Amino acid sequence: GAVVSQHPSWVICKSGTSVKIECRSLDFQATTMFWYRQFPKQSLMLMATSNEGSKATYEQGVEKDKFLINHASLTLSTLTVTSAHPEDSSFYICSARTRTGNSYEQYFGPGTRLTVT
Amino acid sequence: AQRVTQPEKLLSVFKGAPVELKCNYSYSGSPELFWYVQYSRQRLQLLLRHISRESIKGFTADLNKGETSFHLKKPFAQEEDSAMYYCALQTGGFKTIFGAGTRLFVKA
Repeated sequence: GAVVSQHPSWVICKSGTSVKIECRSLDFQATTMFWYRQFPKQSLMLMATSNEGSKATYEQGVEKDKFLINHASLTLSTLTVTSAHPEDSSFYICSARTRTGNSYEQYFGPGTRLTVT
Repeated sequence: AQRVTQPEKLLSVFKGAPVELKCNYSYSGSPELFWYVQYSRQRLQLLLRHISRESIKGFTADLNKGETSFHLKKPFAQEEDSAMYYCALQTGGFKTIFGAGTRLFVKA
């Protein structure tokens, strides 16, 4: 089956620094990738939709200047948390969409746990 | 408004008992609904989708447009079914909206 990887799996950074998270589709091309945020014991909240070669579409309430998304190729999307603060600490999950027959299927990465101190 | 509601945060059943995880949705268009499962320390994975009308690991889910529901059912729960289950709605723009999730705990 299709595999999505994320790197790093966890990261600790100091307040004010920036952190980049990579999301890769390993054995398929993904024109669209999604970035989610998950707080402890809560559901996944869609942050943005990332389309290859174009600007990401952000959900309401998500600061695009704080969460920079770059979808440079059909297999790679990156999320950069700029000037991180402790409230940005969370579990970030990406997913990649691929077409299967007449429908689309999403495959999820394992997630990246970000802790801002 | 587009919304997915899973009213139960936790559902605990005995092994061999029937289980039903509830899901209701709100969407003005034609919905495409999914159930995702997340086992302990594993990534989220697709369990089933309503258009497939199939049974996966003994689970089934029927879309009821009149009641705007997509409840997940299994007649005989197994211990290995213990996991977090998310109901999800895919909109016309291919965004996926997740419910809050229900943790299923199957007791021996």
